[in-house]
Amino acid sequence: GQNIDQPTEMTATEGAIVQINCTYQTSGFNGLFWYQQHAGEAPTFLSYNVLDGLEEKGRFSSFLSRSKGYSYLLLKELQMKDSASYLCAVRNYGQNFVFGPGTRLSVLP
Amino acid sequence: ETGVTQTPRHLVMGMTNKKSLKCEQHLGHNAMYWYKQSAKKPLELMFVYSLEERVENNSVPSRFSPECPNSSHLFLHLHTLQPEDSALYLCASSQEGQFFDTEAFFGQGTRLTVV
Repeated sequence: GQNIDQPTEMTATEGAIVQINCTYQTSGFNGLFWYQQHAGEAPTFLSYNVLDGLEEKGRFSSFLSRSKGYSYLLLKELQMKDSASYLCAVRNYGQNFVFGPGTRLSVLP
Repeated sequence: ETGVTQTPRHLVMGMTNKKSLKCEQHLGHNAMYWYKQSAKKPLELMFVYSLEERVENNSVPSRFSPECPNSSHLFLHLHTLQPEDSALYLCASSQEGQFFDTEAFFGQGTRLTVV
């Protein structure tokens, strides 16, 4: 089967750092993706990991451990506009993107 | 236009109606997807087309019928839907290759309400 888990909701303060975790069990692994989705809008691509380790892109970083089936998205210097849902997705051997339930992040002033 | 475009953005239809959702991608990608996003549920993959051939059909009811006339266009034909089919329908595209794959690029979605 295929299963991707993320926390349902998280709350953090403006300027802080937040880590959103994702664990997965899928039929094959061909990369892990993080997307941001504001309410009523399309998901937009944030980051991609296919090898173990940390990928950094400005205020956003993503980490992958394939042996543990684990990834996290790290958001630094949080801004109010970062309030959104964050979706973890795995591309399996069928080249399909399997999405987790998403984590709704609320950034408070 | 650039990216992935979906029309209409909003659709209200009765259970006996027939309607179609349209998706167009201007990225030169060779794979296109339909996803359903319901409240409090993960994105559900419905159909995948790779090189204009359907490669995935995730046990979707026959009242949903996809069509991919070419690599840039994807349709979802709707017929005798149920109220529980009300959701955001998202189209996405990606490039798949032997040595290089891209992430999925999403359209803005069609918010469908079945009454």
